[in-house]
Amino acid sequence: QKEVEQNSGPLSVPEGAIASLNCTYSDRGSQSFFWYRQYSGKSPELIMFIYSNGDKEDGRFTAQLNKASQYVSLLIRDSQPSDSATYLCAVNTNSGNTPLVFGKGTRLSVIA
Amino acid sequence: NAGVTQTPKFQVLKTGQSMTLQCAQDMNHNSMYWYRQDPGMGLRLIYYSASEGTTDKGEVPNGYNVSRLNKREFSLRLESAAPSQTSVYFCASSERLGASSYEQYFGPGTRLTVT
Repeated sequence: QKEVEQNSGPLSVPEGAIASLNCTYSDRGSQSFFWYRQYSGKSPELIMFIYSNGDKEDGRFTAQLNKASQYVSLLIRDSQPSDSATYLCAVNTNSGNTPLVFGKGTRLSVIA
Repeated sequence: NAGVTQTPKFQVLKTGQSMTLQCAQDMNHNSMYWYRQDPGMGLRLIYYSASEGTTDKGEVPNGYNVSRLNKREFSLRLESAAPSQTSVYFCASSERLGASSYEQYFGPGTRLTVT
């Protein structure tokens, strides 16, 4: 059973701080990694994907991947109250054509 | 371009009733998915369709059936609803299954309550 683990939170950070969200995965064959944001009562939307070791930056968001440690993280710089949401990590093994495996999500609360 | 649409948005059923949740996408995607989301449980895959004409079970298929009607449409049927099926149901689609960076697009969800 391929697993994706996230701390459920809530993770509370003050406005303007860096929020760090973490995700570990069990399948060493995993090839690509996605971060989805889900506001309360809404559907998930993709904010970042990464498939090479290292960092990938997009505006205030940075995804970090360490395949040796089977660890992927999402950093949100200058956190805003509008970033308050649940963040879902999803992993694609890209072997055998299987669907994404989602973590249970981390709830982030940015306090003004 | 509507993306992924789902009907209905809300539904209340009595135990034992049946219903079909409809999903359609207009992005010419090959793969489609049905998830349920319960508090604290994350997204759980019910069924998926890698391409038109194929369907496969996901993590929690019991009590559900699916039909990939054509490339655009993928329906989820509850034959005899149970209170344990009270949940939010999301349909999603992607260009292809298993490809390295193809995004999944989600519909707005159906909130189902079974009493």
